[in-house]
Parts: sequence; structure tokens; C-alpha cells
Amino acid sequence: DGGITQSPKYLFRKEGQNVTLSCEQNLNHDAMYWYRQDPGQGLRLIYYSQIVNDFQKGDIAEGYSVSREKKESFPLTVTSAQKNPTAFYLCASSIAPFRLGLDQPQHFGDGTRLSIL
Amino acid sequence: SQQGEEDPQALSIQEGENATMNCSYKTSINNLQWYRQNSGRGLVHLILIRSNEREKHSGRLRVTLDTSKKSSSLLITASRAADTASYFCATVLFSGGYNKLIFGAGTRLAVHP
Repeated sequence: DGGITQSPKYLFRKEGQNVTLSCEQNLNHDAMYWYRQDPGQGLRLIYYSQIVNDFQKGDIAEGYSVSREKKESFPLTVTSAQKNPTAFYLCASSIAPFRLGLDQPQHFGDGTRLSIL
Repeated sequence: SQQGEEDPQALSIQEGENATMNCSYKTSINNLQWYRQNSGRGLVHLILIRSNEREKHSGRLRVTLDTSKKSSSLLITASRAADTASYFCATVLFSGGYNKLIFGAGTRLAVHP
């Protein structure tokens, strides 16, 4: 079955450590997204990628980095510069980059919960 | 302030009752989407309604859109315990040079057997 796979499900970060969250999709989607969700809140966009080898900062990109070397993969690194990384991280994809006038639902993985040790 | 805001924040009902959640937004939209999130899981797309549509149905879901009031509602009829989840509305906003999907904080629905 097609879908988005995020791993690991739970991740713990030590102070000063960088950690990488994996996101893989087999939906053949061009666009991929990373969101952060804090308790009781909606989703905030960290980074998005419209096509391979291209990505753009979202609203809260500071302290995060991404790469898009393959169409199916969009890993997110939470760097030591991110001082409050504890959150639920969600990866999503859509058929094409999100543009006005196009009806593009996003497909989500099951998330990675990151905590501080 | 958020582009989409759901109301109420939390809703508790008995199985068989109807559940209504509302979403208000601030700017003009092309479409509005509703998503569902089970606890500890990702979001699942439920339904999309375009700005030129007033009502849309999908199974036990009914979505309305009132662009003059900049609001939408999601009605779940004959609710079941399995409907327990958080429900989010999302709209497109052009900001910072790109289009992005803006999610509200969600309505937490609890359906009791």
C-alpha cells in the first residue's frame, strides 16, 4: 500500500546533539512538508520541498535543516540550535506543490515524538 | 492570530448524537479542508470544499461553507465512539512569498458509548 513512513516513532535528544527524523513516501508525490505540532495546537510549517534538490523555509525553520536528494525521501535534522525541540513532528506529501486554485489534500505520516533527555 | 480557528475547543457527546464543529477564517479562500487526527497519529484528509460550493457530503460527514461570514462547519451525524479524535480545518494562505496550508488549533471530540 502507498503511504508515508516516519521513523522513529519516539526519539530522545541529548543536549548539544543533532538528531535526524526520517520521512519516506511511495506515493510518487513531488511535494513534501515538515510540520511541528505542540500540545493542543495546530500544525506549523517548518520546511517544504516542491521538487527534488529544492526546499524552502517555512514559518519556524530556525534550528532545523532538511535535504531532498531523492523524490521519496525528505529527512529533517533537529540541530542543537533548536532550544525547544520537544514536540510531535509530522511529515506530509502532496501530488504537486501547493498552489492557489489547485485542490491538493496532503497525506500525512504517523509522526515522530521528540523529547529531551 | 490564526487563519483558521475551530470552535468549540472540545466537545463531548454520546454515541448516536450529532457533532457540529465550526471553523472561522480571516482572508479570502479558494478552498477549505477538514482533517481528522486520532491521538498520537498523523492527520487524515476528510473533505475539501471549494469557495463556490455551499455544502458537501461524504458518508456521515456534512460540510458547509459561508464565504460571506468566512466560516465553515463540519457535522458528523449519528456519531460513534470511533469518531473520537481531533478535527482541524485548513485554508490556504499566501504569505512570505509562497502558498501554505494553515491549520487551526482543532476541536477535540469525545464520543462516549
